[in-house]
Amino acid sequence: DAKTTQPTSMDCAEGRAANLPCNHSTISGNEYVYWYRQIHSQGPQYIIHGLKNNETNEMASLIITEDRKSSTLILPHATLRDTAVYYCILLYRGSQGNLIFGKGTKLSVKP
Amino acid sequence: GAGVSQSPSNKVTEKGKDVELRCDPISGHTALYWYRQRLGQGLEFLIYFQGNSAPDKSGLPSDRFSAERTGESVSTLTIQRTQQEDSAVYLCASSSFFGGETQYFGPGTRLLVL
Repeated sequence: DAKTTQPTSMDCAEGRAANLPCNHSTISGNEYVYWYRQIHSQGPQYIIHGLKNNETNEMASLIITEDRKSSTLILPHATLRDTAVYYCILLYRGSQGNLIFGKGTKLSVKP
Repeated sequence: GAGVSQSPSNKVTEKGKDVELRCDPISGHTALYWYRQRLGQGLEFLIYFQGNSAPDKSGLPSDRFSAERTGESVSTLTIQRTQQEDSAVYLCASSSFFGGETQYFGPGTRLLVL
């Protein structure tokens, strides 16, 4: 019952921008779009989240379409250390509970 | 500030032995979660603590698994009579009461049951 759809894998050249798409056509009005990633042999890492406005932090930018049915995570200058599985999930604001990750996108950054 | 820490980082044990895994959450975080991740698999929720409320134990796979938390600090996950299928990475995460949907994970404990 995944509410988000992501490509299984993507490649990106080192130093270029990595654009990771996520479809969430059934998103409800008070669900936030969250992105986590998991680098091999490490715990998941929070990246960024947003509701409807575009967001930027030191790690990435998040672009959410006006109808909120899809979003794109942008790593502006990908490095080899950004190779990981990236997960897009929907969460209600203030929700407290276990995270359910889908399959995610395996991003491979190549030299 | 300091993130979530877990110990030990690696644990090798023999089938049938008991193990204790420790998690130190981020200071001030009221919520604490335990997950299990088998090799090549996704996260599997185990248990969730929120402040002084009764924990959500709905993810514990059997009565060999238990967890405790002292107030809003350290948590211990105990696995009794370990089995080979318990081999996995055990991950702990914590979150604040406000903005609790953002969970911060520790590095995990890699458990190998021989």
